[in-house]
Parts: sequence; structure tokens; C-alpha cells
Amino acid sequence: QVQLVESGGGAVQPGRSLRLSCAASGFTFTKYAMHWVRQAPGKGLEWVAVISSDESSRNYGDSVKGRFSISRDNSKNTLFLQMNSLRAEETAVYYCARGGELSWNYFEYWGQGALVTVSS
Amino acid sequence: EIVMTQSPATLSVSPGERATLSCRASQSVSSNLAWYQQKPGQTPRLLIYGASTRATGIPATFTGSGSGTEFTLTISSLQSEDFAVYYCQQYNNWPLTFGQGTKVEIK
Repeated sequence: QVQLVESGGGAVQPGRSLRLSCAASGFTFTKYAMHWVRQAPGKGLEWVAVISSDESSRNYGDSVKGRFSISRDNSKNTLFLQMNSLRAEETAVYYCARGGELSWNYFEYWGQGALVTVSS
Repeated sequence: EIVMTQSPATLSVSPGERATLSCRASQSVSSNLAWYQQKPGQTPRLLIYGASTRATGIPATFTGSGSGTEFTLTISSLQSEDFAVYYCQQYNNWPLTFGQGTKVEIK
């Protein structure tokens, strides 16, 4: 079965960096686009970034452009999110999600999430 | 950015009754619309994609409809496990955007 397991979350001061990882299994990783979606405590869902199956294309939400970078290692079935210049309002659970069969851009499977707390 | 507006914010429904949730896009998203369910403390789950196609394992009690700017998720005969927050999401344009959610609670 599809499994997505995030790691790398934790507490970090504003302005610092953090790198999240997502280990994928149970499907052919190289066939699917992968996303990061976040959810602040008690709030709704916000899409963060996407990377195509072959790494040729990336796209970002407006609020993270220039500070966050999505990447993947297809040899290790792993997705990454490098987060720089973090802000307090980016405290959230960060979910790794697999793109859909018929379109990159809906989220067919989700991980359990990694909590990132940005606080001084 | 396409703004997705869901209504109502909260829907109070008795078990066994039907629930109708609405989602409106600020511009046409064609049929590139998905619905998700999120229960407290749980990960979101894909219910519907392509505005009306049920995802794998989703029961027929969930029906999606609409196109363009107006969409509806209907849950027939609500069961206890259906009380949750429901989000719509458009994937027609960048950036991908979600509605703010509709909470379906027990009346």
C-alpha cells in the first residue's frame, strides 16, 4: 500500500532553515508528481510546492517563492523541502502528498505530516 | 490566484439526513476540482476528483457535481464517520488553492 512518511520537523527560530524529507513506498515513485501541503494549527489547507516526476518542473505557492525549494531523489524514493528564512506564521503541519493518476495536481495520498514550529 | 469559497462554514445535520456542501471559484476551473475529507487529528483524504469522480474506496454516498465556477458535494444519509471538515481544491491554475472548509457537525 502507498506510504508517505515525513521527517525532519521540529522547532526552529524565525529566520533559520529546516529541511523536511518524505520517504515514499508502495508505488512507482518515478511516475508521480509530488507535493507539499501545509496546515497551520486550527486552520485550513495551503498548497506549498510541487515537483514533476522527472524533476524537470517545479512550482511554488506565492508565499514561499524564493525561500523554499522542493527536490526529490528518485533513486531513493524520497522527496525534500528546503525551507529558508522561516517565519512564525509558517508554523504548521507539513504534509507530503502524491499527485493523482489523471492529473499532477490533486492529492491522491497523504503522509501523516511533520510539525514545524517557528518560534523564538 | 483563484479564490475558492465554500458555504456554509458549518453545517448541522442529523444522522441519516442528506448534506449539501457548496464550493464556488472566482473564475472558471473547468472540471479540475477535488474534494477532501479531514477528521479531527487525521490526515486529509481524497474523496472526489475531476469534480465528479469518486476516488478509490470512496462509497457512493458521496457525490460530486458541477463545472466552471459552481460545485457541490452531496453526502446522502450521513453516518457518524462522515462528520468532519470538507475542503474543495482547484487544480486548473497555479497556484493550487483550497476553500476554507465546511465543517459538518452532528445536529
